[in-house]
Amino acid sequence: GAVVSQHPSWVICKSGTSVKIECRSLDFQATTMFWYRQFPKQSLMLMATSNEGSKATYEQGVEKDKFLINHASLTLSTLTVTSAHPEDSSFYICSAGSGRSTYEQYFGPGTRLTVT
Amino acid sequence: GQNIDQPTEMTATEGAIVQINCTYQTSGFNGLFWYQQHAGEAPTFLSYNVLDGLEEKGRFSSFLSRSKGYSYLLLKELQMKDSASYLCLYNQGGKLIFGQGTELSVKP
Repeated sequence: GAVVSQHPSWVICKSGTSVKIECRSLDFQATTMFWYRQFPKQSLMLMATSNEGSKATYEQGVEKDKFLINHASLTLSTLTVTSAHPEDSSFYICSAGSGRSTYEQYFGPGTRLTVT
Repeated sequence: GQNIDQPTEMTATEGAIVQINCTYQTSGFNGLFWYQQHAGEAPTFLSYNVLDGLEEKGRFSSFLSRSKGYSYLLLKELQMKDSASYLCLYNQGGKLIFGQGTELSVKP
């Protein structure tokens, strides 16, 4: 099956700094990638839809200036958490579709962000 | 709306059968998925239903009724490793809408 990777798998940063998380589709091209956030014991919450070559579409309540998304190629999308605060500590997961059908959504392994 | 509802938690016994129900808003429906998620890990795909009926895949089966906005995931011959969160989500116009997940605990 298709593989999606994320880097880093975990990161600890200080409050006020920025952190970049990468999402890569390893063996397929993804015109659309999705970014999710998951707090402990809660379901995934869609943050934004990342479209290759165009601006990301953010869900209501998600600050686009704080969570910068760049989808520069068909295999890479990045999420940058700017001026991170402890409340941004969460599990961030991306998913990507191969484009053949939206049924084929493959999830990355997730990135655990801890802001101290 | 984007409402999707499933029980928060369930408990079952090893070797038994458990059914996890999911109801959703039918507008814009374009397929329903079940995913399994162990703590600290990304979700893994279990099943996909777009037509009415039962899809069987080994110990796991998934059922869909589009007119009722209803699905269930059936797990047979439960094993301890089946203890996980089970996410019901559906495709609404290309966007995945997640349920809150059902935390299943399998007891010996």
